[in-house]
Amino acid sequence: QKEVEQDPGPLSVPEGAIVSLNCTYSNSAFQYFMWYRQYSRKGPELLMYTYSSGNKEDGRFTAQVDKSSKYISLFIRDSQPSDSATYLCAIGGRGNEKLTFGTGTRLTIIP
Amino acid sequence: NAGVTQTPKFQVLKTGQSMTLQCAQDMNHEYMSWYRQDPGMGLRLIHYSVGAGITDQGEVPNGYNVSRSTTEDFPLRLLSAAPSQTSVYFCATKNNYGYTFGSGTRLTVV
Repeated sequence: QKEVEQDPGPLSVPEGAIVSLNCTYSNSAFQYFMWYRQYSRKGPELLMYTYSSGNKEDGRFTAQVDKSSKYISLFIRDSQPSDSATYLCAIGGRGNEKLTFGTGTRLTIIP
Repeated sequence: NAGVTQTPKFQVLKTGQSMTLQCAQDMNHEYMSWYRQDPGMGLRLIHYSVGAGITDQGEVPNGYNVSRSTTEDFPLRLLSAAPSQTSVYFCATKNNYGYTFGSGTRLTVV
């Protein structure tokens, strides 16, 4: 079993829809939870960074962490074609010195 | 402010050749790291450093060497390239707000 599981997709949704992306993890010692967006042939770009269970909102993006279920989510509201990218979840343990990444979900927003 | 700069952007090596991937940052972050990204595997940690003179292994360190003589630079050395090292390599720094990645080096070993 991988430490972090993420559905690779691909996922296609119409413009304006709400997108839900998810990851599950197995190690209860994980403490830091991140979502990255990666455009084709570019480096990952940090979208959201949370430490605790609960919700964190930034513009059209909401990150949700449920430590009891070992489940994290990223919601994108009012999705735009520019949101088309691969989304990576990343989880860090104590000290956040080593990130474990999901394999990424490829998202396409259809105009 | 360039952030994290990686050079070269592309490289083709023959099996057995050696090379160094360069990573430089101008954010004065103590932490730097190297990841490789392969299809279906996600990003995997190769080596990391929490400060000048301090390095440690990640998940996939075999075949790679690192050293950290300055805060700004963290080069990754391939001593004898193998086809299994064909990948995209990313350098990253970290502060209290998360990780910042470079734009990557696409390496092909033939």
